[in-house]
Amino acid sequence: GAGVSQSPSNKVTEKGKDVELRCDPISGHTALYWYRQSLGQGLEFLIYFQGNSAPDKSGLPSDRFSAERTGGSVSTLTIQRTQQEDSAVYLCASSLELQRALSYNEQFFGPGTRLTVL
Amino acid sequence: QKEVEQNSGPLSVPEGAIASLNCTYSDRGSQSFFWYRQYSGKSPELIMSIYSNGDKEDGRFTAQLNKASQYVSLLIRDSQPSDSATYLCAVWRGSTLGRLYFGRGTQLTVWP
Repeated sequence: GAGVSQSPSNKVTEKGKDVELRCDPISGHTALYWYRQSLGQGLEFLIYFQGNSAPDKSGLPSDRFSAERTGGSVSTLTIQRTQQEDSAVYLCASSLELQRALSYNEQFFGPGTRLTVL
Repeated sequence: QKEVEQNSGPLSVPEGAIASLNCTYSDRGSQSFFWYRQYSGKSPELIMSIYSNGDKEDGRFTAQLNKASQYVSLLIRDSQPSDSATYLCAVWRGSTLGRLYFGRGTQLTVWP
């Protein structure tokens, strides 16, 4: 498809379980971002990838959160030992490489993964 | 001081009216400014980008940027009920770290 895709669309898990969320960016977009949005809250930045490296991990809320990106494409966000406060919509966005971008970092979002921790 | 602040909502306008949404940002060196529309239960959709001072028009939407005042606005002319959504203002500081800073959003309702 032409847009950012994410899977699963919904995930319900029990407290203490690990979850993996997947993001497939727009073809040709080398920059990838994870944000999350809690009910009634704004978008919270989590991590930014340029290619396979993550120059900005400053938004990860705890060491239970990790992310990787392979092949400069698909990214996986992993949350270990989930807690109820992790419940949120996890959004992935992608953009062209910043240094060469004529589009000044326009970021396009996927549909999100709604995570519910019981 | 928050990085990006938006005028508190909700904003309610009649169909056909002009809706005005406002946003201020704290980092004077910010380079790029975006408006996203988010329907309830959906993800944000990019509707306008603006990079230089002045106005940028796209159909019924006009984005305005004043870097001296650190102010961005979005005008929606001839508002339609389908414009009812939350509008998010986002700012890129222009560094090599690509994160956007988002405002909390303004909820717009256009009533028939």
